[in-house]
Amino acid sequence: GESVGLHLPTLSVQEGDNSIINCAYSNSASDYFIWYKQESGKGPQFIIDIRSNMDKRQGQRVTVLLNKTVKHLSLQIAATQPGDSAVYFCAERDTGRRALTFGSGTRLQVQP
Amino acid sequence: DTAVSQTPKYLVTQMGNDKSIKCEQNLGHDTMYWYKQDSKKFLKIMFSYNNKELIINETVPNRFSPKSPDKAHLNLHINSLELGDSAVYFCASSQVGGPTEAFFGQGTRLTVV
Repeated sequence: GESVGLHLPTLSVQEGDNSIINCAYSNSASDYFIWYKQESGKGPQFIIDIRSNMDKRQGQRVTVLLNKTVKHLSLQIAATQPGDSAVYFCAERDTGRRALTFGSGTRLQVQP
Repeated sequence: DTAVSQTPKYLVTQMGNDKSIKCEQNLGHDTMYWYKQDSKKFLKIMFSYNNKELIINETVPNRFSPKSPDKAHLNLHINSLELGDSAVYFCASSQVGGPTEAFFGQGTRLTVV
């Protein structure tokens, strides 16, 4: 079936380093891909999205890259900070549906 | 100021009981959702309502019944609770035609014993 998945369940980085979280998807009908951050005891929080007709989008300290050829999505976090420690989810929105299909999540641990 | 609020935050109950989780959003959004997050953190859509109308009903046991009295509220009632229902349930909202961002509540941790 259609799925969105992540390669690495846990990523540990040093404070100040750049982080890259990867995600593979399989639904070609998705019009948007979204990254969410979930801190312990809280709900997912929107970070950044990218439309399916784009290959790169930048935000504050974050960049999302979309490679439709290999159906791969990545989130790059520059100068990772302890406050970035959380579980990160990629999600996709199918054209016509309003709900999101989430990947399985990657835990980012930032070492001081 | 809370955009999407759920109550209760924690719910511990015995098997066979019936319980409800309430959700309210003050963002003026027209679409609301219930997601279930299991022990492995996997998030899955359960239901979606647009302007009080059910538009998504994933493969969820009919013991789960959502109710939307108005577009700012989406409650989840669960009958005959089972051990496997233990999870964190998230309410969310978004606006059709608006940004892709869905706003999530803080979650309700349901534990069935």
